[in-house]
Amino acid sequence: GDSVTQMEGPVTLSEEAFLTINCTYTATGYPSLFWYVQYPGEGLQLLLKATKADDKGSNKGFEATYRKETTSFHLEKGSVQVSDSAVYFCAYKGRGNEKLTFGTGTRLTIIP
Amino acid sequence: GAVVSQHPSRVICKSGTSVKIECRSLDFQATTMFWYRQFPKQSLMLMATSNEGSKATYEQGVEKDKFLINHASLTLSTLTVTSAHPEDSSFYICSAGGQGSSATEAFFGQGTRLTVV
Repeated sequence: GDSVTQMEGPVTLSEEAFLTINCTYTATGYPSLFWYVQYPGEGLQLLLKATKADDKGSNKGFEATYRKETTSFHLEKGSVQVSDSAVYFCAYKGRGNEKLTFGTGTRLTIIP
Repeated sequence: GAVVSQHPSRVICKSGTSVKIECRSLDFQATTMFWYRQFPKQSLMLMATSNEGSKATYEQGVEKDKFLINHASLTLSTLTVTSAHPEDSSFYICSAGGQGSSATEAFFGQGTRLTVV
C-alpha cells in the first residue's frame, strides 16, 4: 500500500550546519507532497509543499524537490538555526483523496 | 492561510469521565475534518474522518463508541472521549480540508493534550 518512509531521528546539528532529512514515498499516481513542522507543545504547521514532479517547495530557507524518478522529497536547509529545532513530518496526499499519510517524524535539535 | 482553532489546548480529567474536544474552521467551510492521535515521539495516527452531516468513518482499530465524532456544521467538529482511561492520555489533533477533493492542503489545529488521571 501507499506509505511514506522518513529518516529516523533524532538529528542533532550545530548552528549554521547543512541539513538534510530524507523522505521517500510509495504511492500510485501523482500524489501531492508536504513537509510539516511541529514546534514543542504545538500542533502541525505546513512548512512547504509540491504538487507535481520537479516542483520545488520552499519556505523559511527550507527546500524540497519532488523527484518522481527517485520517489523522494528530501528536506534541505543550507544553514540551520536554533529556532529550527522541532519535529519534521513528511506527508503525502493522493489525487482525489483528502487524507494525509504521515511519515514517522524526525526530531531535529540545533545546538548553539 | 486558513485557520483551524482547537479547544481546549490542555485538559486533565478523572478516569471514567468524558471529555469533549472542539475543532473549528474560522475562515472557511470544512466539509471534511480529520482527527489524529499522536503518541509521544511518534507520528500522527489517523483516527477518523468526519464528514459534515453524515457519520464519521473510523480507521481500523479505533473504537467508534469510545471516540464519538460529531460534525454538525461546516465549521465545527467535535471529538468526545467517553469513559476516559489513563491509556487514552495522548495528544489529539484535528485538521480540516477544503471543499472538494481537489484541495491539496490540510490545516491543523493547535492540538489538545489530554491527561487522564
